[in-house]
Amino acid sequence: DTEVTQTPKHLVMGMTNKKSLKCEQHMGHRAMYWYKQKAKKPPELMFVYSYEKLSINESVPSRFSPECPNSSLLNLHLHALQPEDSALYLCASSQDLGAGGETQYFGPGTRLLVL
Amino acid sequence: RKEVEQDPGPFNVPEGATVAFNCTYSNSASQSFFWYRQDCRKEPKLLMSVYSSGNEDGRFTAQLNRASQYISLLIRDSKLSDSATYLCVVNTYNFNKFYFGSGTKLNVKP
Repeated sequence: DTEVTQTPKHLVMGMTNKKSLKCEQHMGHRAMYWYKQKAKKPPELMFVYSYEKLSINESVPSRFSPECPNSSLLNLHLHALQPEDSALYLCASSQDLGAGGETQYFGPGTRLLVL
Repeated sequence: RKEVEQDPGPFNVPEGATVAFNCTYSNSASQSFFWYRQDCRKEPKLLMSVYSSGNEDGRFTAQLNRASQYISLLIRDSKLSDSATYLCVVNTYNFNKFYFGSGTKLNVKP
């Protein structure tokens, strides 16, 4: 089973709202990722967690705050977003970051609209 | 220079045709390579990993050329259901990063 789940599927929020995106995997993967994807563009890496510790932050604005409560869960907390943050937010996981374990599996994404 | 480059297409081909995509990468230290397909408004799905010796999965064949730093994907006997965007992904272990190409759009027509 190579399933990554994400909730919610769709989210509409105002610029003053606080919301959270959730991602879950039960494959025993130890690396988890957040990506942002705009229409007709490839996914852009935002954050990487490895063994529940933040490994990479691609200079993402602080209005995006990731959290990894345990090895199966990854959250993305959103606060004071801008309309240009509207995009598809994809979560992915892989067995590990190192050689042989790096194949990523993506969740279905959360489509976010910021008004 | 982009880490990974792909021809965005679109490639418009009739059913049954053979079509090939190339993807070039700039970092010679890149270690692993993948092709993903992404349907409109869906997530990327792993199509194939690409191995040094080349690998085949049914109608799909992937090749890696380290000397010239490119990978290729060949689709034989195209089906309507192959219409999608194909993303080339390269991983460099040193930086634990995955680099995505911009994607190549394939339209298979009846």
